[in-house]
Amino acid sequence: QKEVEQDPGPLSVPEGAIVSLNCTYSNSAFQYFMWYRQYSRKGPELLMYTYSSGNKEDGRFTAQVDKSSKYISLFIRDSQPSDSATYLCAMKAETSGSRLTFGEGTQLTVNP
Amino acid sequence: GAVVSQHPSRVICKSGTSVKIECRSLDFQATTMFWYRQFPKQSLMLMATSNEGSKATYEQGVEKDKFLINHASLTLSTLTVTSAHPEDSSFYICSASGPVGNTIYFGEGSWLTVV
Repeated sequence: QKEVEQDPGPLSVPEGAIVSLNCTYSNSAFQYFMWYRQYSRKGPELLMYTYSSGNKEDGRFTAQVDKSSKYISLFIRDSQPSDSATYLCAMKAETSGSRLTFGEGTQLTVNP
Repeated sequence: GAVVSQHPSRVICKSGTSVKIECRSLDFQATTMFWYRQFPKQSLMLMATSNEGSKATYEQGVEKDKFLINHASLTLSTLTVTSAHPEDSSFYICSASGPVGNTIYFGEGSWLTVV
């Protein structure tokens, strides 16, 4: 079983929809949670960073962490065609330094 | 925000030759950088951890003599693919731990094609 599970999709939504992306994990030591957006043929871009449980909002993006359920989410409001990309969740423990454990990535297409 | 730069973004080399990819942290010092490889429609595969001033730590199954990593300064790590073969063709990405908290930033990636 993988340490981090993420549905690879593909996920296709109409413009303006609310998108929900999720990851589950098994390692209770994970404390730092990140979401990256990766456009085709580009490096991942850090979108959201959350420590421990709770919510964090940045513009149209909201990241949620539920450590009791070992479940993290990224919500995109008013989705735009420019949001079409692969979204990777990543996480790490306090003791793992800068070493990240990634989900498989979810491919999202927002249709105009 | 913190920026990590990779060069070249795209390189084509002949089979049997060596090619070097650079990863620079532009506005912060990074004692640790990571090198990943990514195949189409797959997630990132960690190849090695690059530590400034010491030997890199390679993941299981990654040939250290083939993928040479040098981290000579706090802002530069290099990956050299030696005696490249077509199966080494891939997207190589580096990352570095940013100056604030535990944020980690990635370079733009380097496409390697071995012909």
